[in-house]
Amino acid sequence: EVQLVESGGGLVQPGRSLRLSCAISGFIFNDHAMHWVRQAPGKGLEWVSGIFWHGNNTGYADSVKGRFTTSRDNVKNSLYLQMHSLRAEDTALYYCVGDNVPGGADYWGQGTLVTVSS
Amino acid sequence: DAVMTQSPLSLPVTLGQSASISCRSSQSLVHGDGNIYLNWFHQRPGQSPRRLIYKVSDRDSGVPDRFSGSGSGTDFTLRISRVEAEDVGVYYCMQATHWPYTFGQGTKLEIK
Repeated sequence: EVQLVESGGGLVQPGRSLRLSCAISGFIFNDHAMHWVRQAPGKGLEWVSGIFWHGNNTGYADSVKGRFTTSRDNVKNSLYLQMHSLRAEDTALYYCVGDNVPGGADYWGQGTLVTVSS
Repeated sequence: DAVMTQSPLSLPVTLGQSASISCRSSQSLVHGDGNIYLNWFHQRPGQSPRRLIYKVSDRDSGVPDRFSGSGSGTDFTLRISRVEAEDVGVYYCMQATHWPYTFGQGTKLEIK
């Protein structure tokens, strides 16, 4: 069974940092791209960032570029999202998403909630 | 970025009737490898999105054949025949041909 389990969310003040983690099991993590997708309360889905299997190629939404960094550890089967200079508009449920096929976004975690508020 | 525009945003449907959701991209979704990476997701309240359709028309395992996807280039459609109560929720299209991946705004399906 494929499992993606996010952790690291919580309440953080504006301007502070937070690091999200995603533990992956049940599929060949090394071979595929991974992503972070977020959903603000009551809103739609927004792709935040992605990283290819080799980790050398990453992409970011304009809304987080320069503030967020995605990385992966193929030995630990883990995905990370380092978030800096957090803003109120970053408040959302952050999903870890895995591609089982190119562009598939096949597997989703349950999400970890990040709340940015003073 | 490829902007994805869904319509309608709200879709009241009678049980047993069919429903269609349109998704249009601001640019062609034909990838250099010849594929079109256009997915459809369904999200129920309090749940993670679940993929229904990938590469325009390939149905995921376990998805009823009442769900079908079609389209090409920039225009795509998700069709649900014989709507059932379990189909309520929000449907999203998502393109994965270009980075950044982008989603449509979502279409909320409800039962009349």
